[in-house]
Amino acid sequence: LAKTTQPISMDSYEGQEVNITCSHNNIATNDYITWYQQFPSQGPRFIIQGYKTKVTNEVASLFIPADRKSSTLSLPRVSLSDTAVYYCLVGVLTGGGNKLTFGTGTQLKVEL
Amino acid sequence: EAQVTQNPRYLITVTGKKLTVTCSQNMNHEYMSWYRQDPGLGLRQIYYSMNVEVTDKGDVPEGYKVSRKEKRNFPLILESPSPNQTSLYFCASSLLDPNNEQFFGPGTRLTVL
Repeated sequence: LAKTTQPISMDSYEGQEVNITCSHNNIATNDYITWYQQFPSQGPRFIIQGYKTKVTNEVASLFIPADRKSSTLSLPRVSLSDTAVYYCLVGVLTGGGNKLTFGTGTQLKVEL
Repeated sequence: EAQVTQNPRYLITVTGKKLTVTCSQNMNHEYMSWYRQDPGLGLRQIYYSMNVEVTDKGDVPEGYKVSRKEKRNFPLILESPSPNQTSLYFCASSLLDPNNEQFFGPGTRLTVL
């Protein structure tokens, strides 16, 4: 199971773009990269998933370089309501069977 | 409405008293799993099930049991709860496997005295 490393916390202000980078040096060929968002006392919510290059949806963008050893979740023009923990997940189908390991995530705090 | 439901939402119990937390999904999902969340430790998977009658251990299965007799239900059983099982528990489901989008329930906050 590919190990991921992401910052423990980040601070931002409303209206700014936030980029959260996740390192996954031992990502396998078949692994996808998935990001979840979690608010306090709620279950995580799927944000975005990608395999390579760039993926964009109505909430975020996911940038994956050619070597796929890292990925960056980009949140455009954040607001206070984006304050949450963000988890990067990689490699759920290889090595670790069908387990799903979330790690400790990145606590994003958005201020006025 | 497509959803994952858990019951109870809050439970305070005593050491050794068997309890069951129910989980049900109405999306016809194959994959279901249970997680516990503790401060500073993130979400840790307890058990998962790829489909009916197939379950397997996650990262922290000790002290827990599960069953998957029907596709929609995946109860979590604590035969003899202990204080170190005090935690916030989440059930989740996805269409086929863990790489699909996981849909989480609202959580069950368990306190074992």
